[in-house]
Amino acid sequence: QQQVKQSPQSLIVQKGGISIINCAYENTAFDYFPWYQQFPGKGPALLIAIRPDVSEKKEGRFTISFNKSAKQFSLHIMDSQPGDSATYFCAASRSDKIIFGKGTRLHILP
Amino acid sequence: GAVVSQHPSWVICKSGTSVKIECRSLDFQATTMFWYRQFPKQSLMLMATSNEGSKATYEQGVEKDKFLINHASLTLSTLTVTSAHPEDSSFYICSARDPIHSEAFFGQGTRLTVV
Repeated sequence: QQQVKQSPQSLIVQKGGISIINCAYENTAFDYFPWYQQFPGKGPALLIAIRPDVSEKKEGRFTISFNKSAKQFSLHIMDSQPGDSATYFCAASRSDKIIFGKGTRLHILP
Repeated sequence: GAVVSQHPSWVICKSGTSVKIECRSLDFQATTMFWYRQFPKQSLMLMATSNEGSKATYEQGVEKDKFLINHASLTLSTLTVTSAHPEDSSFYICSARDPIHSEAFFGQGTRLTVV
């Protein structure tokens, strides 16, 4: 199966709070799991990515948690800021294809 | 980091004309590039996979004769929307995967409006 299921569809978080977005995949052939951030009218920008041989990766305020056995991974945004308001896409990738989740519209309240 | 450049960023064309969109990988050689279409407030829909030196692989439901893809070099793929109609108006985005680091990068997107 090629699906990547992403939730929630939209999320509202207070400034300074933690934003959490979840994704689940089905195909165990995927070997690369990136998260992208997209602002209106722009192409998606790579935010952070993880491979299945590690369970967590942290870059600044952004952390990916990866559960290989459950085939799930999540993005945590610590100390969320209004500038983080955007649409976030998770993806699962292998050499010949990248499958995206449906996206999460995140809004950080000032 | 690696950069994928897409041009033009926006284009307005008359119905019935053709429009070409270019996608270039600036920092790496991409044997494979991907073309997506995105409708407002929706996710990216994969249209086709562009393979350098060979024919593109189209997703089900995407018209090959309408969306012509050419990948003539390791750094350039083009998408030509032929005989464009208003329903082809959309945001088109290309992506290329760095074969060494396996990271995928996107172009800035092209907003196509057919009038």
